[in-house]
Amino acid sequence: GQQVMQIPQYQHVQEGEDFTTYCNSSTTLSNIQWYKQRPGGHPVFLIQLVKSGEVKKQKRLTFQFGEAKKNSSLHITATQTTDVGTYFCAGGGADGLTFGKGTHLIIQP
Amino acid sequence: GAVVSQHPSRVICKSGTSVKIECRSLDFQATTMFWYRQFPKQSLMLMATSNEGSKATYEQGVEKDKFLINHASLTLSTLTVTSAHPEDSSFYICSAPTGGADTQYFGPGTRLTVL
Repeated sequence: GQQVMQIPQYQHVQEGEDFTTYCNSSTTLSNIQWYKQRPGGHPVFLIQLVKSGEVKKQKRLTFQFGEAKKNSSLHITATQTTDVGTYFCAGGGADGLTFGKGTHLIIQP
Repeated sequence: GAVVSQHPSRVICKSGTSVKIECRSLDFQATTMFWYRQFPKQSLMLMATSNEGSKATYEQGVEKDKFLINHASLTLSTLTVTSAHPEDSSFYICSAPTGGADTQYFGPGTRLTVL
């Protein structure tokens, strides 16, 4: 079945540094979604990418969908303490929605 | 690592029947589990929070009498779609937090089709 790998599992950054999390699928995806989970909360939808090579921005967040529609990345510029949390990617395919294990972003002031 | 299973993975039922979906944490205990619903080509939407030993907490707009949640034990939560109708056809996913509640493990999902 479809597998979605997400790296890194943990990322420590100093406040103000950039952060990137990567998602790779074993199969071609129809779409990729990104979610953010704040500590103690539940995952909240951030964005969905559908087109090959698509790039979308939300303020300091940049989302990319690979040309082959098998990988994706989320990049945060100049992290702030409010960015703390776990970022999940979820790949949409024939088997439904498959989640990556998430990347925990820890920010040191 | 921690694993969450769901059963069944796919179910087709007739309109008016009830369907039970199970969510199990296989190697850890979960006092809380989350139930989500995803419509085709849309994002995951939180339906309810399942709490072991107490009533589930439902999100606004989710009918608690329609979607019955029972957190029977520290490793099992069930979602029962009662008197299912075609508009209930969807992809249902559960998740369970562990590791201090900051790590979320998702089940593989259940695709429900109501004829």
